[in-house]
Amino acid sequence: GAGVSQSPRYKVAKRGQDVALRCDPISGHVSLFWYQQALGQGPEFLTYFQNEAQLDKSGLPSDRFFAERPEGSVSTLKIQRTQQEDSAVYLCASSSDNYEQYFGPGTRLTVT
Amino acid sequence: GESVGLHLPTLSVQEGDNSIINCAYSNSASDYFIWYKQESGKGPQFIIDIRSNMDKRQGQRVTVLLNKTVKHLSLQIAATQPGDSAVYFCAENGNDYKLSFGAGTTVTVRA
Repeated sequence: GAGVSQSPRYKVAKRGQDVALRCDPISGHVSLFWYQQALGQGPEFLTYFQNEAQLDKSGLPSDRFFAERPEGSVSTLKIQRTQQEDSAVYLCASSSDNYEQYFGPGTRLTVT
Repeated sequence: GESVGLHLPTLSVQEGDNSIINCAYSNSASDYFIWYKQESGKGPQFIIDIRSNMDKRQGQRVTVLLNKTVKHLSLQIAATQPGDSAVYFCAENGNDYKLSFGAGTTVTVRA
């Protein structure tokens, strides 16, 4: 079946612009996660949804980061007033049991 | 704080040989561990997992060993192939959902 998909795959934003990154999880997966991966590093947890409820947003680096999953399926990660330090790959993962997490291909964000 | 880390950042292996990738973790409360493979431009791909009540688990060409005494995790890949070239991450799940990743080991397979 289809895996996790993310769009866009690449995004270039000028500093100060707002961006929106989309994640389509595996159908039926209750849990959805966002991670940030800096170059050469492992992914770092950002936020977690169970259905439409955001149960943990402790990893969001600042209040410029906002995530939503209004209907318990597709999720959007929004970054306002982007800064150069926001440049990274943003990964989305979904899971049916919170243990085995399936990752999408990621969105590579470059802030210039 | 607690973290999961890898012993070596790079590993070069001859095609056909076995590979061993090591990982040390510090959170003794972690009860679930996963190995992921990440190829360039792609997201992490699940390889194999193990729960803390086991010390060995085998998959297709891969084996994960867990030593809780010394908090060590390893991934063994049998008969390494060129397609195994990638970055390998170990990750731990200590609170039922949040994965903590190490920095990764880059495996290069020599023909």
